[in-house]
Amino acid sequence: GENVEQHPSTLSVQEGDSAVIKCTYSDSASNYFPWYKQELGKGPQLIIDIRSNVGEKKDQRIAVTLNKTAKHFSLHITETQPEDSAVYFCAATLSFNQAGTALIFGKGTTLSVSS
Amino acid sequence: EPEVTQTPSHQVTQMGQEVILRCVPISNHLYFYWYRQILGQKVEFLVSFYNNEISEKSEIFDDQFSVERPDGSNFTLKIRSTKLEDSAMYFCASSEPRSSNTQYFGPGTRLTVL
Repeated sequence: GENVEQHPSTLSVQEGDSAVIKCTYSDSASNYFPWYKQELGKGPQLIIDIRSNVGEKKDQRIAVTLNKTAKHFSLHITETQPEDSAVYFCAATLSFNQAGTALIFGKGTTLSVSS
Repeated sequence: EPEVTQTPSHQVTQMGQEVILRCVPISNHLYFYWYRQILGQKVEFLVSFYNNEISEKSEIFDDQFSVERPDGSNFTLKIRSTKLEDSAMYFCASSEPRSSNTQYFGPGTRLTVL
């Protein structure tokens, strides 16, 4: 089955710096890759996602890149702010156009942004 | 903005007892999910549910677990006889049928089995 590895497990940056979190997946059939942000005491919140038919997607300060050949995808946060501090999870799934399919998660990255 | 809600936020139970975790998915969503997260570990898929049937389940979802949509708004996860290793955060999620499997998560229920 699918396995998702996520690195680093913790990341500390200064406010204004960029942060990059990387994930690799094992099943080349996976075609949908969402990223979730989890703040303390809350559930995972979807922040951006990408399908396998595109290589990059951007939403303001957040971008995700996908390399299908290497089977890895990355989250890029630019101009980090203290409110970006949270745990970030990547996930992969076999079917982006069929609801009901399991998301396979990475272990999470704790991002700390200091001012 | 519509959101998934879960109750209770924290449940403490004795080993061997039955627990029911409750979720109210986003109102126009038709697919529902349960995931769990043991402290310090990955979020793990348990089960997905559609049209009053289980769509997919993981190896974790054994005979001790069951799901139900008892009415038009609630979605429940029952653990029949809890074990110590069932202690975890349990997340409910829901998705629209025509979306890109985008799943929206609730805040979770922390289950502590003593």
